[in-house]
Amino acid sequence: DIVMTQSPDSLAVSLGERATITCKSSQSVFYNSNNKNYLAWYQQKTGQPPRLLIYWASTRDAGVPDRFSGSGSGTDFTLTISSLQAEDVAVYFCQQYYNTPITFGQGTRLEIK
Amino acid sequence: QVQFVQSGADVKKPGASVKVSCETSGYTFMRYAIHWVRQAPGQRLEWMGWIHGGNGDTKFSEGFQGRVTFTRDTSASSVYMELSGLTSEDTAVYYCARAASSYDPSLPFDYWGQGTLVTVSS
Repeated sequence: DIVMTQSPDSLAVSLGERATITCKSSQSVFYNSNNKNYLAWYQQKTGQPPRLLIYWASTRDAGVPDRFSGSGSGTDFTLTISSLQAEDVAVYFCQQYYNTPITFGQGTRLEIK
Repeated sequence: QVQFVQSGADVKKPGASVKVSCETSGYTFMRYAIHWVRQAPGQRLEWMGWIHGGNGDTKFSEGFQGRVTFTRDTSASSVYMELSGLTSEDTAVYYCARAASSYDPSLPFDYWGQGTLVTVSS
């Protein structure tokens, strides 16, 4: 199984500041034949199901604000929120869908400083 | 709009089985796969497998093989997850979620149910 490890486990950032979360996979999730990284990011607010933010490591899902961006390739990935808003308080998960079993990171809790 | 509505919370005794339903609407049910994912207290999300709405094909996580069954009712645009041999470690919120593409069932999940809490307790 591919193990996904996020850092940090929790993060406090001031409103309007940048938040950065990293995700590392135990093996590459880059598929050479289509030049894509099989990596997604989700946001989960308390009491709600996860919401898809980013797929293919850097493609925003429909309706996701452009302050959210994803980057990275192979085994190392980053989710960046360029200017933190109050509504961004949540737990963020990375997910690999390169192979089964599909696996998730342990989550990063983002709070306002 | 796309909607996923799951059955309500349930309490089961160890050794019992539980069946969770997921009623979908707002899209062509037959074209997409539906995944099941669970979230135990304080644990990371855990993928259980998927069922395709059109042909009924299934794929399971090895950790649940032999203990979980996925079924679908195309007339009701609904899928069902049944988990047997419950232990306290199966206490979790269970989610259904749609693969984001109709051509690849393994793609990320763009729509989710609200979750169903299953508590296993004697």
